[in-house]
Amino acid sequence: GENVEQHPSTLSVQEGDSAVIKCTYSDSASNYFPWYKQELGKGPQLIIDIRSNVGEKKDQRIAVTLNKTAKHFSLHITETQPEDSAVYFCAASRSFQKLVFGTGTRLLVSP
Amino acid sequence: DGGITQSPKYLFRKEGQNVTLSCEQNLNHDAMYWYRQDPGQGLRLIYYSQIVNDFQKGDIAEGYSVSREKKESFPLTVTSAQKNPTAFYLCASSGGLAGYTDTQYFGPGTRLTVL
Repeated sequence: GENVEQHPSTLSVQEGDSAVIKCTYSDSASNYFPWYKQELGKGPQLIIDIRSNVGEKKDQRIAVTLNKTAKHFSLHITETQPEDSAVYFCAASRSFQKLVFGTGTRLLVSP
Repeated sequence: DGGITQSPKYLFRKEGQNVTLSCEQNLNHDAMYWYRQDPGQGLRLIYYSQIVNDFQKGDIAEGYSVSREKKESFPLTVTSAQKNPTAFYLCASSGGLAGYTDTQYFGPGTRLTVL
C-alpha cells in the first residue's frame, strides 16, 4: 500500500522568510496530493491540493509542486507570518482510495 | 452554515465503558471517515463509509464500531475492547461520485480521555 514520508518534523523560520515542507510517496499510481493545516486543538483544514496532471499550483503565498518521476511533492509558503504557525500534513491517494497521511511538520514562525 | 459538526468536543470515559462520538455533515457528501490522531503523529483511518448502510474497516478498526443509517450521520462507538482509546478523533467527509470526490473536509474533532 501507499506510504508517505514527510520532512522535516519541525521547522522554525523568521517572519517574512520562506518555508518548504517535503513529502515522498511510494505508490506511483497515486494521483491526488492535498495539504492540510492543523491549529492546536482543531481539525485539519485543506489549504491546497494538486492532482497528477499538473506540476505546480499556487494560491497567494502558498504553492505546491509535484515531481511524479521522483514521487515527491512539496509545500512552499512565502512571506511567512506568525499566523502560519501550525502543524502541516501532506497526504496522497489513488482515485477513490483512502488518503494516506504524512506524520506532520510543526511550523513555527517567529516575529 | 455548511460543514461537519462533531460532538461532544471533550469526552471522558471510565474504564470498561462504551462511548459514542457523533459526526454530522450537511454537505450532501456520500463518503464519511473516522480518523484517530495521537500526539505528534499523523492521522490513522479507523472506519470509512462510501454510501449509506455500507462501511469498511480502516487500518486500526479493532475496538471500534460504526453505523451509517443516514447519509448525513456517521457515529463512532469506542468500545471497552479498545485498550488505549485516549486520543483526538476526527471525522471527515468527501463528495459524491461526480467530479472530484476525494477531497476530504474535516470536523473540529472530539478529544476522548479515559479516566
